[in-house]
Amino acid sequence: AQSVTQLDSQVPVFEEAPVELRCNYSSSVSVYLFWYVQYPNQGLQLLLKYLSGSTLVKGINGFEAEFNKSQTSFHLRKPSVHISDTAEYFCAVSDIGNEKLTFGTGTRLTIIP
Amino acid sequence: GAVVSQHPSWVICKSGTSVKIECRSLDFQATTMFWYRQFPKQSLMLMATSNEGSKATYEQGVEKDKFLINHASLTLSTLTVTSAHPEDSSFYICSARAGTGTTEAFFGQGTRLTVV
Repeated sequence: AQSVTQLDSQVPVFEEAPVELRCNYSSSVSVYLFWYVQYPNQGLQLLLKYLSGSTLVKGINGFEAEFNKSQTSFHLRKPSVHISDTAEYFCAVSDIGNEKLTFGTGTRLTIIP
Repeated sequence: GAVVSQHPSWVICKSGTSVKIECRSLDFQATTMFWYRQFPKQSLMLMATSNEGSKATYEQGVEKDKFLINHASLTLSTLTVTSAHPEDSSFYICSARAGTGTTEAFFGQGTRLTVV
């Protein structure tokens, strides 16, 4: 069984400042990794995913994440945030060959004008 | 990207009644659909996985008779909350995959259920 840990439940950041949202996972097998964004009262939108290959993955809205196998991490970063980035961010993992996604508890990103 | 439409987006019902939530894949055939429940300020909890034409597989602790899932076609899955109670009030989200071996799941916009 796999698990996902998002240590930061809330992250306040000033507008145009950089941000990193942390995600660590555990699994006994190789995994796929995902970051999703959820705006209030909406479903989830995929930001980016790591399947294989380059460990640095670029996604939509200027976000990127780096897969670190040795540290079992997949932290999400953006060099300069915007007010519109205010949302809940979820890290998720699935075992390769298993369709189920396991989600972290989410990080609420609040952008301060 | 692929679109998954969930209906209704919100519903209020009386305790003891049943509520049906629909999840449709609009521009692709979804062989597998997933139903999640999200409590306020918490993560998504997988309730069940449904494959078209077969019975849903429920996660441990989810009452099969209370949360009825039907996946009768490749574009439609329904979740029926039977004999709803206030503790069933939650945000329900569906997601769909286009086929086995694919890696991306597309999510509906969610349904907020309030049982009064």
